[in-house]
Amino acid sequence: DGGITQSPKYLFRKEGQNVTLSCEQNLNHDAMYWYRQDPGQGLRLIYYSQIVNDFQKGDIAEGYSVSREKKESFPLTVTSAQKNPTAFYLCASSIFQGVGTEAFFGQGTRLTVV
Amino acid sequence: KNEVEQSPQNLTAQEGEFITINCSYSVGISALHWLQQHPGGGIVSLFMLSSGKKKHGRLIATINIQEKHSSLHITASHPRDSAVYICAARGNRDDKIIFGKGTRLHILP
Repeated sequence: DGGITQSPKYLFRKEGQNVTLSCEQNLNHDAMYWYRQDPGQGLRLIYYSQIVNDFQKGDIAEGYSVSREKKESFPLTVTSAQKNPTAFYLCASSIFQGVGTEAFFGQGTRLTVV
Repeated sequence: KNEVEQSPQNLTAQEGEFITINCSYSVGISALHWLQQHPGGGIVSLFMLSSGKKKHGRLIATINIQEKHSSLHITASHPRDSAVYICAARGNRDDKIIFGKGTRLHILP
């Protein structure tokens, strides 16, 4: 079955360490996205990519980095420069610019930095 | 102002009540999604709409493209429906997905 997979579901890291969150899709989707959610808040866009080897900053890109070396993978690295990394992170994917086409959403990763 | 607005922010109802959650958006969209988020954070996709109405079990989603408005209805609500319901609009220019802040629903037994 086609889908989008985020792993792990829960992740703990020590302050000052970089951590990479995984997002993989086997839907042949062009576009992939990373969002962050803080308690009681909506999801905000960190980075998105519409094509391999290209990506754009979203609204809150500072302290994060991404790569898109393969169509099916869009890993997000939370760097030590991110001041408040503890949050829920959601990955999504879609066909680029398809009217009425469905976006798919990962289950999310809850990152806790101690 | 957020490009996707949901109302109400919080909703508490008795078991069995008919529930309506609203979503208004200000951008042109190619699709609108309704998602359910459980207390652990996991996201479940409920519906994708680009026009009209969809039904799945006790859930009904409608969209009015001209009015830029969508509603999610739950019939015969049950405590297990308690969750955060999120509206997400996919822009038809840049393909960005913009989320509403969510509606926290609590169904009392």
